[in-house]
Amino acid sequence: GQSLEQPSEVTAVEGAIVQINCTYQTSGFYGLSWYQQHDGGAPTFLSYNALDGLEETGRFSSFLSRSDSYGYLLLQELQMKDSASYFCAVNGAGSNYQLIWGAGTKLIIKP
Amino acid sequence: SQTIHQWPATLVQPVGSPLSLECTVEGTSNPNLYWYRQAAGRGLQLLFYSVGIGQISSEVPQNLSASRPQDRQFILSSKKLLLSDSGFYLCAWSRDQGNPGYTFGSGTRLTVV
Repeated sequence: GQSLEQPSEVTAVEGAIVQINCTYQTSGFYGLSWYQQHDGGAPTFLSYNALDGLEETGRFSSFLSRSDSYGYLLLQELQMKDSASYFCAVNGAGSNYQLIWGAGTKLIIKP
Repeated sequence: SQTIHQWPATLVQPVGSPLSLECTVEGTSNPNLYWYRQAAGRGLQLLFYSVGIGQISSEVPQNLSASRPQDRQFILSSKKLLLSDSGFYLCAWSRDQGNPGYTFGSGTRLTVV
């Protein structure tokens, strides 16, 4: 079967750094995406890794190791507004860039 | 720029009533379109996707159906709602190639009573 594993909940302190891990097992793979979803809102696209290595976008970075079927989202200088659920998703496990989604990680930030 | 509209934002419907949720995309042509459902505190479940007008693929057998009467219009329907149909419904679009990011509509929170 196809599956993505990520922690259900992570807690961190404002101003700190947090890493959300994602391991995947899929029949096909084009890349790993990350999405952020605030309570009651829609998911928003954060990043995409098709090649091994680190992609940086401001305070957020995303890493991929295809040989390990593993990636992570790194959030630096945490702010209270970063409190949200974060989803990893594999692109291309099906056709037409369909996504296979993880169950999401709820990030709780404490002052 | 591309935008996606989804309505209504919230809906309370009795069991056995019909459903119609609409999604439209602006600023792009021939998008891939998707309907997802999300239970509270859970991940996203793909219900339907469409790669073109009249082309619908179903991922999960259920009492829901989808239609794509126009290139940038995607409709989710049901003839008779069940209590289990309650949830947060999200429409999304993506390009066929290139940027792999999905853009989601603001969602419809459906409560079946």
